[in-house]
Amino acid sequence: QKEVEQNSGPLSVPEGAIASLNCTYSDRGSQSFFWYRQYSGKSPELIMFIYSNGDKEDGRFTAQLNKASQYVSLLIRDSQPSDSATYLCAVREGGKLIFGQGTELSVKP
Amino acid sequence: GAVVSQHPSWVICKSGTSVKIECRSLDFQATTMFWYRQFPKQSLMLMATSNEGSKATYEQGVEKDKFLINHASLTLSTLTVTSAHPEDSSFYICSFSGGSSVAYEQYFGPGTRLTVT
Repeated sequence: QKEVEQNSGPLSVPEGAIASLNCTYSDRGSQSFFWYRQYSGKSPELIMFIYSNGDKEDGRFTAQLNKASQYVSLLIRDSQPSDSATYLCAVREGGKLIFGQGTELSVKP
Repeated sequence: GAVVSQHPSWVICKSGTSVKIECRSLDFQATTMFWYRQFPKQSLMLMATSNEGSKATYEQGVEKDKFLINHASLTLSTLTVTSAHPEDSSFYICSFSGGSSVAYEQYFGPGTRLTVT
């Protein structure tokens, strides 16, 4: 059973700080990785995807991928209260996405 | 990103009745659509994958005779929960795949909250 693991949190950071969210995966052959944000009662929305080792930046968000260590992370700079949500890591397996359990992030004003 | 709609956004039904949920891609022709279920405080659980014009592929433990999926066109997929029971109460979300063959990102509908009384 291929697995995607995340710390369920909650992770609490003060406003303006950097939030660091981590995810590990079990299948060394995985190629594509995704971060989704889900507000309470809403469906997930795609933040970004990454498939090459290293960093990928998009505004305040940076995804980091290390295939050798089988982890992918998401950094949120200058965290805002509006970033408070559950962040889901997903790994593509064939034609499907395998989701982690999500990390709840709380940004305190 | 692509736009996906779901209808209804919420529904309350009595135990034993059937409920149909529609999922439409508004600006993309989706050959593959996915149906997920999410219980409170839990992650998304993939129920089935549907390909246009062919039978859906169900995940292990999902009853195909209870959760009927029809993907009749490139823009419409439906999920029917037959003989619903209170334990079927959940948040049902559809998605379809898009983007490059490498990225293969999925775009989600807004979800349907089903409550079975």
